[in-house]
Amino acid sequence: AQKVTQAQTEISVVEKEDVTLDCVYETRDTTYYLFWYKQPPSGELVFLIRRNSFDEQNEISGRYSWNFQKSTSSFNFTITASQVVDSAVYFCALSEALTDSWGKLQFGAGTQVVVTP
Amino acid sequence: ETGVTQTPRHLVMGMTNKKSLKCEQHLGHNAMYWYKQSAKKPLELMFVYNFKEQTENNSVPSRFSPECPNSSHLFLHLHTLQPEDSALYLCASSQASPGTGPGNTEAFFGQGTRLTVV
Repeated sequence: AQKVTQAQTEISVVEKEDVTLDCVYETRDTTYYLFWYKQPPSGELVFLIRRNSFDEQNEISGRYSWNFQKSTSSFNFTITASQVVDSAVYFCALSEALTDSWGKLQFGAGTQVVVTP
Repeated sequence: ETGVTQTPRHLVMGMTNKKSLKCEQHLGHNAMYWYKQSAKKPLELMFVYNFKEQTENNSVPSRFSPECPNSSHLFLHLHTLQPEDSALYLCASSQASPGTGPGNTEAFFGQGTRLTVV
């Protein structure tokens, strides 16, 4: 069963609109880590944020913000005032803290964001 | 030098060929990974190396053979591949903490090798 679900396959917005990407995860661990990565057309995954399961504070970094809700197992990502350079595929990922999950980032299917001028 | 470098960026190979993908990290990390990204499928973890020791093999066919000669280099040797093996192969590294696992550190990815098997 997929542990990370990104239900939105593609989102298209016009520049300066806000866009919210949904991520729902599933784990039985009490300690886990959630990540967001950006994959531009060049292919490299760029790290955006890491959040551990004990820190439910929302975070803002420039135009990016994240909303972590343990009660609904969601870790949503919002881009405010989108720009063309935000066009990319965005991945949500989960890592469980068990030692036998060493290195195992479990990715969602990704959401393609298309920002048009 | 960028953090994680993969070569080649693109590779076309026949099903009877033998080739190798190379990954090098300049971040001083102690863990390295191979991921496979196929069209319309989530990124799949293939292999994990910690301190040069392979700690995970996610049921990857034997036609993929990893090698980690030191903590900075990781190879993926390919032989007798199938067309369905065509994908983007991504290498990543992270600084893993013994006893706690790598979950608390982010992985840094290379730009990938776009592999086409014909």
